[in-house]
Amino acid sequence: DIQLTQSPSSLSASVGDRVTITCRASQGISNDLGWFQQKPGKAPKRLIYAASSLQRGVPSRFSGSGSGTEFTLTISSLQPEDFATYYCLQHNSNPPTFGQGTKVEI
Amino acid sequence: DVQLVQSGAEVRKPGESLKISCQVSGYSFTTYWIGWVRQMPGKGLEWMGSIFPRNSDIRYNPSFQGQVIISTDNSINTAYLQWNSLKASDTAMYFCARPASSFWGQGTQVTVSS
Repeated sequence: DIQLTQSPSSLSASVGDRVTITCRASQGISNDLGWFQQKPGKAPKRLIYAASSLQRGVPSRFSGSGSGTEFTLTISSLQPEDFATYYCLQHNSNPPTFGQGTKVEI
Repeated sequence: DVQLVQSGAEVRKPGESLKISCQVSGYSFTTYWIGWVRQMPGKGLEWMGSIFPRNSDIRYNPSFQGQVIISTDNSINTAYLQWNSLKASDTAMYFCARPASSFWGQGTQVTVSS
């Protein structure tokens, strides 16, 4: 199975900060990766698909980049509603696998 | 609109069996993989396995192979996750989801306690 290593596991940031989260795959996955945001008690919400495409309705402060084994999620200017946990998910191999998650805290 | 609607919260005792469901609408159920995701209390997301309803091809995460059964009833566009003998460690929120999509169920809380 493909392993995804996500870093950092948590970070403290302030409103307005630029935040970057990294996801590294154990083997090449092309661009078969999405980024999800999860708030407590809720289902995850997809922000980015195909590594760099913004899901409809998601604010443009979210962006994704990368291909192969290295991927990043960037929040250009953190907003109060962005404090949540973020996960990468690969679907290049079946079954899919998640990164360990990054909790973004104040 | 695509919807994945899961069955309600369940409370069971260790050793009991359970089957939870995920009913799909808004797309052709048999032509896309559908899977189950576990989230234990305070922990991350784990993809348990996926099934292709058209031919019942199932791919389990090795960590869950033999622990759960994934199935579908194509006549009612529904996917299932089943346990034959629950353990306290099965206490978690379970989500159904279509891989490589934004479509997720709302989650089913399963609590196993004596």
